[in-house]
Amino acid sequence: RKEVEQDPGPFNVPEGATVAFNCTYSNSASQSFFWYRQDCRKEPKLLMSVYSSGNEDGRFTAQLNRASQYISLLIRDSKLSDSATYLCVVTGGSNAGNMLTFGGGTRLMVKP
Amino acid sequence: DADVTQTPRNRITKTGKRIMLECSQTKGHDRMYWYRQDPGLGLRLIYYSFDVKDINKGEISDGYSVSRQAQAKFSLSLESAIPNQTALYFCATSAPGTPTNEQFFGPGTRLTVL
Repeated sequence: RKEVEQDPGPFNVPEGATVAFNCTYSNSASQSFFWYRQDCRKEPKLLMSVYSSGNEDGRFTAQLNRASQYISLLIRDSKLSDSATYLCVVTGGSNAGNMLTFGGGTRLMVKP
Repeated sequence: DADVTQTPRNRITKTGKRIMLECSQTKGHDRMYWYRQDPGLGLRLIYYSFDVKDINKGEISDGYSVSRQAQAKFSLSLESAIPNQTALYFCATSAPGTPTNEQFFGPGTRLTVL
């Protein structure tokens, strides 16, 4: 079983739609959680951290449910520029040195 | 100028050849990493280094070696390339002690082993 699992998608949504991605992680000792964004043929970049209390950054909202070991990302009012692959990332757990463990990514395609 | 650079950006080679991928950074970070990315598998850690004298194996180090020549340089070698090492390779850096342990990635090297 992968340590971090995501639905690979693609999620095809129209502009203006609200879309949500979930991610599950297997190691209950995982400590920190993030979403990275990766554009096609580009490098990943940090999108936002995920906190137990939930956090919002503009149109993006991230939530963490430790009891169920899942993380979510909600994107409101989708823009064409949101088209990318979203990588769920956790640290701690089985990795020494606070290494990042990446999910396989969820691909989002926003259509006009 | 990019903070993390990788050379070459693309490489096609044959089975059995020795390949070196280079990574340089101007961010002044102590920590550097090499990952490979395969479709559907996410990024997997090959090796990492927390300073010039520190080298650690990651999840999938077999068939690879690294050298940390300086704080700013971290190279990845494939001593005898094989086709299942065809992948997208990323170098990354980070600074210790940051709340997010954010890693900054280079643009990637697309390696094809025939």
